Amino acid sequence: GAVVSQHPSRVICKSGTSVKIECRSLDFQATTMFWYRQFPKKSLMLMATSNEGSKATYEQGVEKDKFLINHASLTLSTLTVTSAHPEDSSFYICSARGLHSGNTIYFGEGSWLTVV
Amino acid sequence: QKEVEQNSGPLSVPEGAIASLNCTYSDRGSQSFFWYRQYSGKSPELIMSIYSNGDKEDGRFTAQLNKASQYVSLLIRDSQPSDSATYLCAVNRVGQNFVFGPGTRLSVLP
Repeated sequence: GAVVSQHPSRVICKSGTSVKIECRSLDFQATTMFWYRQFPKKSLMLMATSNEGSKATYEQGVEKDKFLINHASLTLSTLTVTSAHPEDSSFYICSARGLHSGNTIYFGEGSWLTVV
Repeated sequence: QKEVEQNSGPLSVPEGAIASLNCTYSDRGSQSFFWYRQYSGKSPELIMSIYSNGDKEDGRFTAQLNKASQYVSLLIRDSQPSDSATYLCAVNRVGQNFVFGPGTRLSVLP
């Protein structure tokens, strides 16, 4: 299957600071990338969908000014959590879909964010 | 509202048994169906995709699709403790977002 890489896998940041998570498709061009968050023992929650070169489409209830998503190239999307607070601590996962992957989406490894 | 439903479990089966995981969906226009496995603390990984009615086998895994009943299932033969995970069913129309079920937690007992 296609490879999606996410970095960092774990990050700890102080309240009020911003943190950036990168998602890269390594062996295909990702025309669409998705960002999810997941609390322990809970379901995946879609945060936003981004198409290369376009503004991200956010799901209802997700603050676009707090969770900045950039999908500037066909292999890279970034999620920046701005002015992070402890309640933003979660597991953030990206996934990608592209022409090479057909209609299948592949997930990155996920990033554990802890805000202290 | 497009929905995908799964029994949250936990579903417990003894080692070597067949585990049967079920999923129903509400959107009759759904075209693609996927099963992902998620180990605790890890991201989901694709197990199988299925697009046509009937069975699709891959090793110990068999996906079954019945579009008339809006039902998709995953059978795991010869279950192993390493199969213990949460199994996510996902459904979509081509070009549209995936809709994930809440997942079924499977526990394979040694």
